[in-house]
Amino acid sequence: DGGITQSPKYLFRKEGQNVTLSCEQNLNHDAMYWYRQDPGQGLRLIYYSQIVNDFQKGDIAEGYSVSREKKESFPLTVTSAQKNPTAFYLCASSNPWTESSYNEQFFGPGTRLTVL
Amino acid sequence: QKEVEQDPGPLSVPEGAIVSLNCTYSNSAFQYFMWYRQYSRKGPELLMYTYSSGNKEDGRFTAQVDKSSKYISLFIRDSQPSDSATYLCAMSGEDPYNGGSQGNLIFGKGTKLSVKP
Repeated sequence: DGGITQSPKYLFRKEGQNVTLSCEQNLNHDAMYWYRQDPGQGLRLIYYSQIVNDFQKGDIAEGYSVSREKKESFPLTVTSAQKNPTAFYLCASSNPWTESSYNEQFFGPGTRLTVL
Repeated sequence: QKEVEQDPGPLSVPEGAIVSLNCTYSNSAFQYFMWYRQYSRKGPELLMYTYSSGNKEDGRFTAQVDKSSKYISLFIRDSQPSDSATYLCAMSGEDPYNGGSQGNLIFGKGTKLSVKP
């Protein structure tokens, strides 16, 4: 079964703690993305990676960090510097864009993070 | 002005109704226009994709793009209770800061649709 898995499904964190969200894909996609979704806010891009060992900040990278050591894995760490971390986090992957073509982003099931 | 505007609803319709969902945008560089469907507490899934202007039909779903007006629409005919979900528009175009390669997706806030039996 090809797809994207995210774990855990629900995560609770105390203030001041760092937590890491897992994202794994077996679609052989080069590009991977992390989004944050808040009620009424749509999806906002946190970080993205077009290739292994390379990643770029998205629109709301402050308080987050990522790594891309393997093609199939793109973990996201929510640090204590993130002021409002309670949200629904979505991971996605795709093949890279080429001229005049679009490559669909496939999404994982999401992780709901709650700060206590 | 935000790049992509989408009425969050909620929108409630009776079963069998025609549903019209819309987004407006400000960036004329957008060329790729997508509609994603997201069921509650799930990840979004791609529903329709259109390149540049025009219409695209897939079963009960029709996507329209009017680049001159910077306006995109998704129509759902004969709506079903199983269509109840949040519908997100997304778009992308050339990224002038990345050698002209395609940029990342910009999402609308999503419209929550409820189809009542």
